[in-house]
Amino acid sequence: KAGVTQTPRYLIKTRGQQVTLSCSPISGHRSVSWYQQTPGQGLQFLFEYFSETQRNKGNFPGRFSGRQFSNSRSEMNVSTLELGDSALYLCASSLDGLTGNTEAFFGQGTRLTVV
Amino acid sequence: AQSVTQLDSQVPVFEEAPVELRCNYSSSVSVYLFWYVQYPNQGLQLLLKYLSGSTLVESINGFEAEFNKSQTSFHLRKPSVHISDTAEYFCAVSGSAGGTSYGKLTFGQGTILTVHP
Repeated sequence: KAGVTQTPRYLIKTRGQQVTLSCSPISGHRSVSWYQQTPGQGLQFLFEYFSETQRNKGNFPGRFSGRQFSNSRSEMNVSTLELGDSALYLCASSLDGLTGNTEAFFGQGTRLTVV
Repeated sequence: AQSVTQLDSQVPVFEEAPVELRCNYSSSVSVYLFWYVQYPNQGLQLLLKYLSGSTLVESINGFEAEFNKSQTSFHLRKPSVHISDTAEYFCAVSGSAGGTSYGKLTFGQGTILTVHP
C-alpha cells in the first residue's frame, strides 16, 4: 500500500510569489491535514479537508489556503510569500480525521525556502 | 483546547542504556495520544499510539509508552537504545470530540535523542 506522497520535495521561491504544494493521501483515506514545521514554532496545524470540505482550520493568515479533490488529493497554496513562510510543510492522511479509532500518517514533506 | 509539553528538549544517552522521554498533556476532552519520530529531512513516522484499551502500548522496535490519565502523561521508554534511535521524537494528542479537533494533532516541541557509542 503506497504511503502519503508529497510533491515537490524542495522548492525555492522569491518573496511575493505564490506556491502550490500537492499531497496524495493513502488510498481509502478521506481526510488530509496540513502542518507547517519551523525551528521556532515547531509543528503547527494549518487545516484539514474531508470529502472536499474544509472542516477545521488553524491560526494562519488567509494567504494560506487549500482544497481537496474528489479523489482525496489535496493542494495547499500560499500567496504573497514572505521570508517567514520558509518551512517544512507536512501533509497527513487519515481515514476519518482522527475522530475514531484511527491515526494519521505523514508524507516526507515539502521544504519551501523563500528568498 | 489542548496542549502538549515535552519536558526535555535534548536527551543524550549512551548506547544500550535505558531512556525515558517525558510528555505531559492537557485537554478538556478525551484524547488520543501518539509518539512520532522524525529523522533529518524526513517526515514524521508513527512510533506508537494510545487510542483505547490497555494503557501500556508498545512499538515493534522496542519502545513503549504508558498512558497515565491521572497524571496526564504519556512518557516514552526504551530499555536499551541503539545508535539508530538517534532522531527527534514528538508527542502528540488529538481530541475525540470532532469540531475543532477534526484532523488536528497538537504536538509538543520535540525531544532530540542522541545516542552515543
